[in-house]
Amino acid sequence: DTGVSQDPRHKITKRGQNVTFRCDPISEHNRLYWYRQTLGQGPEFLTYFQNEAQLEKSRLLSDRFSAERPKGSFSTLEIQRTEQGDSAMYLCASSLEGSYEQFFGPGTRLTVL
Amino acid sequence: DQQVKQNSPSLSVQEGRISILNCDYTNSMFDYFLWYKKYPAEGPTFLISISSIKDKNEDGRFTVFLNKSAKHLSLHIVPSQPGDSAVYFCAASARGTYKYIFGTGTRLKVLA
Repeated sequence: DTGVSQDPRHKITKRGQNVTFRCDPISEHNRLYWYRQTLGQGPEFLTYFQNEAQLEKSRLLSDRFSAERPKGSFSTLEIQRTEQGDSAMYLCASSLEGSYEQFFGPGTRLTVL
Repeated sequence: DQQVKQNSPSLSVQEGRISILNCDYTNSMFDYFLWYKKYPAEGPTFLISISSIKDKNEDGRFTVFLNKSAKHLSLHIVPSQPGDSAVYFCAASARGTYKYIFGTGTRLKVLA
């Protein structure tokens, strides 16, 4: 399968714990995006990378959130000291530079108890 | 502030008829618009897009119309099929950026 993959698909954690999600983009795509989707809403932009450089971060990305793409391939999104309000679907997407079409992964559903 | 709005949360259409999904936006800097389809437990899948220099783009059963003066776009699906039943998201991107601003989605149900 050459699409965008995300791991894990589901994560249940207790409030205050740290969690980390991984995204593997389509191999030749140099842009990688993170979005968050809550119930009844569309995906909301969090951040994006071009190669290993993080080019933009949303105000939604509080200090508890950090994203990395160390070698310009896979990316990780870490949430520290999780809160119940962090419960959401976290979507990763990738694209070729200069292309508007983003390819989305299946998402990681986070539930914070 | 919702810059991209889909005011109809749901729509039911008979198989074979036309489905029309609507989307309004407020930001005049948006210059590229996309429609994504989402099935449960899957990520959004790209359907069709349109640049602000066009007013229509067609791909098979799917046509997107853009009315810049009204800041409105619509997706037409003709003929509708039961497999089209999904949530449809409208998304917009501003010149020089590649992040999407999504609407809240419209759930389409095509009845056999």
